[in-house]
Amino acid sequence: EAEVAQSPRYKITEKSQAVAFWCDPISGHATLYWYRQILGQGPELLVQFQDESVVDDSQLPKDRFSAERLKGVDSTLKIQPAELGDSAMYLCASSLDRAQPQHFGDGTRLSIL
Amino acid sequence: TQLLEQSPQFLSIQEGENLTVYCNSSSVFSSLQWYRQEPGEGPVLLVTVVTGGEVKKLKRLTFQFGDARKDSSLHITAAQPGDTGLYLCAGAKNYGQNFVFGPGTRLSVLP
Repeated sequence: EAEVAQSPRYKITEKSQAVAFWCDPISGHATLYWYRQILGQGPELLVQFQDESVVDDSQLPKDRFSAERLKGVDSTLKIQPAELGDSAMYLCASSLDRAQPQHFGDGTRLSIL
Repeated sequence: TQLLEQSPQFLSIQEGENLTVYCNSSSVFSSLQWYRQEPGEGPVLLVTVVTGGEVKKLKRLTFQFGDARKDSSLHITAAQPGDTGLYLCAGAKNYGQNFVFGPGTRLSVLP
């Protein structure tokens, strides 16, 4: 089982609904990443936090996606409203700092009906 | 256009065979990582290479970083069913920059 905790493991919802994913990184890891992985592809970075600050959200569709890490520990990624094309695995990773190896959680698999 | 290309996309072999998968780019990377991802799980880091021409071994896995730091290979000797998974390479152009992932090679080792 991954040291980075993510929940839920699976989420099925209808389009136009709101969904939220939660991530608890390894204790002491300052850097936290959210990735989206479409079936058959590699992970794509959505947003990166350094402590509580966003340092890279250039690939985050900001019209419908939001992410926060209020106390610099756990993080939430939200989609509202969900679209069919959002079906994917959403992975969270953490590292001691930006230059250190990333540790991934087991992800949340999202299916939009 | 993918920054990193991986080949082959799919590979199915019998237990005991050897195999090599490739990660290629037109860009130079300061460092490159290889991950293995099993179904329903997150990627797990196998190795990081930083020096052109570097070779690292991890049991039956041998990783090589190209001399020009634009490509890398992963060679598995005597593959086992436990090696089955998605092999991802990820590269960072400069120290401290984010790693960009390739699309992966999906390996299936049949008993």
